[in-house]
Order: sequence, then structure tokens, then C-alpha cells
Amino acid sequence: EPEVTQTPSHQVTQMGQEVILRCVPISNHLYFYWYRQILGQKVEFLVSFYNNEISEKSEIFDDQFSVERPDGSNFTLKIRSTKLEDSAMYFCASSESSSHTDTQYFGPGTRLTVL
Amino acid sequence: DAKTTQPPSMDCAEGRAANLPCNHSTISGNEYVYWYRQIHSQGPQYIIHGLKNNETNEMASLIITEDRKSSTLILPHATLRDTAVYYCIVIENAGNMLTFGGGTRLMVKP
Repeated sequence: EPEVTQTPSHQVTQMGQEVILRCVPISNHLYFYWYRQILGQKVEFLVSFYNNEISEKSEIFDDQFSVERPDGSNFTLKIRSTKLEDSAMYFCASSESSSHTDTQYFGPGTRLTVL
Repeated sequence: DAKTTQPPSMDCAEGRAANLPCNHSTISGNEYVYWYRQIHSQGPQYIIHGLKNNETNEMASLIITEDRKSSTLILPHATLRDTAVYYCIVIENAGNMLTFGGGTRLMVKP
């Protein structure tokens, strides 16, 4: 069964450094998402992406964050200058369309630790 | 904010049916009820969704009341691997952002 993959599984970085989290969505999917989950808290939506542009973004997704689909397979989340509070699990998801018959499939996540 | 209310936790005996309730009293006519679960710290996993009719798939059944103000997810024969946090989410279509509430932490016990 096709699945969303994410790399790395765990990223440790120093405060102020830039990080790029990578995702490979399911191959025929057209809608891409990033969510995050701070330890012990709810899963929170960050951004959705379709047709090479952002469709929706939350208040969390400020100027420090950016997303890109650099080629036909990867979808990346960049955090420009990491803060301690960016430590969280980051989940990528994809869906084939925005129809109710299609659901979002999540990857296993990248655990980001900012020191 | 999540449009749904779920009990924070439930227990179920292994092999028995797990019935997880969800209230969504402000649901509008074009909004669907989706269920996801999250096992430990893994990515959320889709289970099932419906609009107004009851639905069944290989994982679970979804019972939606006639007024659509509540629903129940049924895992017919719970196993230890079904221990997870279960989220009931109301959205207009799959492309919308998913708003996760606190969910129900289901503990399946031997």
C-alpha cells in the first residue's frame, strides 16, 4: 500500500539554525499538508499546498516557515531560524483531491528537537 | 476550535466491541464526520467517514444519528493494537484543514 514517507525521523538542531523537513507524498496525490504536535498537546494544522501554492495556513505558520515542492516527488517544510518552542513532531500528509471521498494520509513524522 | 466533543478516555476489554461516542451538535448540512486515530506518537491514521448514512469498512463502523448531531465509532472486536487516541472531526471536504480536538484515549485491556 502506498504511504507518505518523511525524513529524517529525528532532527536535533541548535536554536537559530535553519532546518528543512522532507516529505514524499503518495505519488498521485495533489494536495499536501503539514501539521505539528508539541509533546502532550493536540495535533495542529500548519499549512496546505496545492498547485504549487499555499491554499491555507494557520496563525502558527508565520514568516519563519516556508513550504516548497522542489521537484515532482518531494514536499519540504523549512523553518528559517528555529526557536525552542518549535520542538515538536511534524507530520506531513497528502490527499488525492479535496473531495469528501478522499482522505488525508499522514506520514510517520519527524521529531524536531531544538536545543 | 474543534466542533466536536468526545470523552477523554475509555476502556474496553480485548475481543469486545468498543463504542466511541462523539457529539457534533453544530454540524451543518454539508459537513462530513471523519474519524482518525493516533497510535502512540505515530501519524494520525484515517479510519472512516460519513455524511448521514451509517458506514462500514474493514476497520470499523460509523453510526450517525438521524439528526446528525452525534455519532458512534464502533470497533467490533477490539484488540490490544487498537489502543490509541481516537479523533472525531467534522469538515466540509477532505481538502480542508483537519482540526484535532483532544480525542478519546481508548485503552484496550487483556
